[in-house]
Amino acid sequence: DTGVSQDPRHKITKRGQNVTFRCDPISEHNRLYWYRQTLGQGPEFLTYFQNEAQLEKSRLLSDRFSAERPKGSFSTLEIQRTEQGDSAMYLCASSPRTSAGTDTQYFGPGTRLTVL
Amino acid sequence: AQSVTQPDIHITVSEGASLELRCNYSYGATPYLFWYVQSPGQGLQLLLKYFSGDTLVQGIKGFEAEFKRSQSSFNLRKPSVHWSDAAEYFCAVGLMNYGGSQGNLIFGKGTKLSVKP
Repeated sequence: DTGVSQDPRHKITKRGQNVTFRCDPISEHNRLYWYRQTLGQGPEFLTYFQNEAQLEKSRLLSDRFSAERPKGSFSTLEIQRTEQGDSAMYLCASSPRTSAGTDTQYFGPGTRLTVL
Repeated sequence: AQSVTQPDIHITVSEGASLELRCNYSYGATPYLFWYVQSPGQGLQLLLKYFSGDTLVQGIKGFEAEFKRSQSSFNLRKPSVHWSDAAEYFCAVGLMNYGGSQGNLIFGKGTKLSVKP
């Protein structure tokens, strides 16, 4: 297994444009997480899925952000009407759900978004 | 509220010297604790984790960490640092969701490690 993959690795866009990122988790991992990391900070949680169900969303996830995981496999994160403040690294992680709740999250390489 | 504090923003050590990176957490329940490492422009790689049991945990690349409940700490150590260890290190606590299983992670702001030759 090749691990969590994310596409694209880098995205430069103009303010006001829409962007979409894709995450492919480790196969058979039923949990998938999105985080955002700005310069000099640790990752901050955005949302997570168990299979296709979106179970939790952070207050950081404004109305301009939407995430889907339609068949419980890959996930997309869309940002509408991008703002300069959206410039960040967007990280995806996946984990297998264990009966003990002791999930370990494995991260992808991230998508670096720059909004001009 | 849950939080993770990494008091040191930047640490410089000489190659071959020992290393200790500090991490303190605030969490009302039994914590699940993690250390991740991030190289520039890359994602996070898991170094080690603590769920229960032995409070001294071993990880990859010669790292270890010790959970001290009385001090709410989970410090990362390595006896002899290599130049390739230069990176940013993040401590994280795993939150329990309403279903009783682990949800998202809360991260500290990270400690950047530089290694002098």
